Amino acid sequence: EAGVAQSPRYKIIEKRQSVAFWCNPISGHATLYWYQQILGQGPKLLIQFQNNGVVDDSQLPKDRFSAERLKGVDSTLKIQPAKLEDSAVYLCASSSSFYSPLHFGNGTRLTVT
Amino acid sequence: QKEVEQNSGPLSVPEGAIASLNCTYSDRGSQSFFWYRQYSGKSPELIMSIYSNGDKEDGRFTAQLNKASQYVSLLIRDSQPSDSATYLCAVSQASGNQFYFGTGTSLTVIP
Repeated sequence: EAGVAQSPRYKIIEKRQSVAFWCNPISGHATLYWYQQILGQGPKLLIQFQNNGVVDDSQLPKDRFSAERLKGVDSTLKIQPAKLEDSAVYLCASSSSFYSPLHFGNGTRLTVT
Repeated sequence: QKEVEQNSGPLSVPEGAIASLNCTYSDRGSQSFFWYRQYSGKSPELIMSIYSNGDKEDGRFTAQLNKASQYVSLLIRDSQPSDSATYLCAVSQASGNQFYFGTGTSLTVIP
């Protein structure tokens, strides 16, 4: 089975610019997650989708971050405008059902200068 | 109080020894518990899942769960240098099914 696909792998932008990340989950996985992982820390949940509906976005900085999952498959996470503290790895994960383990993509390493 | 807590380490063990990693969680209704391994610069990789009290063994890895104490641990027997990584504890909570991760424990196995 193909894994979770993410792109791009790396992105360098200047502060106040915008950036978008793309994720394609494992086929058939209804639940999709976006995590932010800052160096030396554990992954922090940004948003969770069940099909194309949002289950939890309580930790998403909504003044600058947005995410969507049209048609319940692919998802896009956007940051606009970026801040220096947004430098992190953005991980997309999917699972087949509630309480099932998460499968992660390779992540996107974002550097904001 | 953080939802999931781990000792950040670093933890160093000699090759062939047993490495013991610990995790506590705050939501008593949590249902699912996972251990992930993360190599530097890589994404987390699932190594163990456990859903009921007791021990679960998979090769050199044993996960232990004690829901009454809200405690989950991972034992790595016959530790190898290739086990050197950060180990993340993840807990699926009862409400909303959020997955929360600990900060991870850095393990170094010394040859």
